[in-house]
Amino acid sequence: NAGVTQTPKFRVLKTGQSMTLLCAQDMNHEYMYWYRQDPGMGLRLIHYSVGEGTTAKGEVPDGYNVSRLKKQNFLLGLESAAPSQTSVYFCASSITGGYNQPQHFGDGTRLSIL
Amino acid sequence: AQSVAQPEDQVNVAEGNPLTVKCTYSVSGNPYLFWYVQYPNRGLQFLLKYITGDNLVKGSYGFEAEFNKSQTSFHLKKPSALVSDSALYFCAVREEGTYKYIFGTGTRLKVLA
Repeated sequence: NAGVTQTPKFRVLKTGQSMTLLCAQDMNHEYMYWYRQDPGMGLRLIHYSVGEGTTAKGEVPDGYNVSRLKKQNFLLGLESAAPSQTSVYFCASSITGGYNQPQHFGDGTRLSIL
Repeated sequence: AQSVAQPEDQVNVAEGNPLTVKCTYSVSGNPYLFWYVQYPNRGLQFLLKYITGDNLVKGSYGFEAEFNKSQTSFHLKKPSALVSDSALYFCAVREEGTYKYIFGTGTRLKVLA
């Protein structure tokens, strides 16, 4: 049971380059989330999706776009990478939007922007 | 706005001693609270949750958490710490009326042999 899988695990980009981070879950979860983790700041929500074909902005959406074309996949795009986007990115999913539902996390993508 | 505070950046405890990792919250409605643990180079793993009911919640790996409504706290506890418990711990609150979870800044637990 793979759970939540993030691809790639590491990446180094130059300023201005673009890339897409892939998140795949095999638990048939409805809700998916993208966070960034920075030292001393905890996790901050970038975008989230409450179902296939839907996306919504989180706390820090600027500079990122997302798509949820298939229920099991949630893609995070950086159109023009900036050094401020150097971070560890985590994808999470939950089975429903119920208040008692914990989130299941991937192991992260470590992204450096030079 | 709903928020979570973890007042300690790091907690050190000797192996075998009880441990407490503190969390306080601020919500406008009912609190839905969670604890997660993060090991190096890994994602967050769910430990336990409080929804309603007993104020002492039991979770994975021998951890428990005490919910105190009057003090708006949800402290993580373990009677006897293990070196393998050394990790980063996050408290989170589910924001009522939205799909969002608000995370604290994390507390690094170091258990000394």
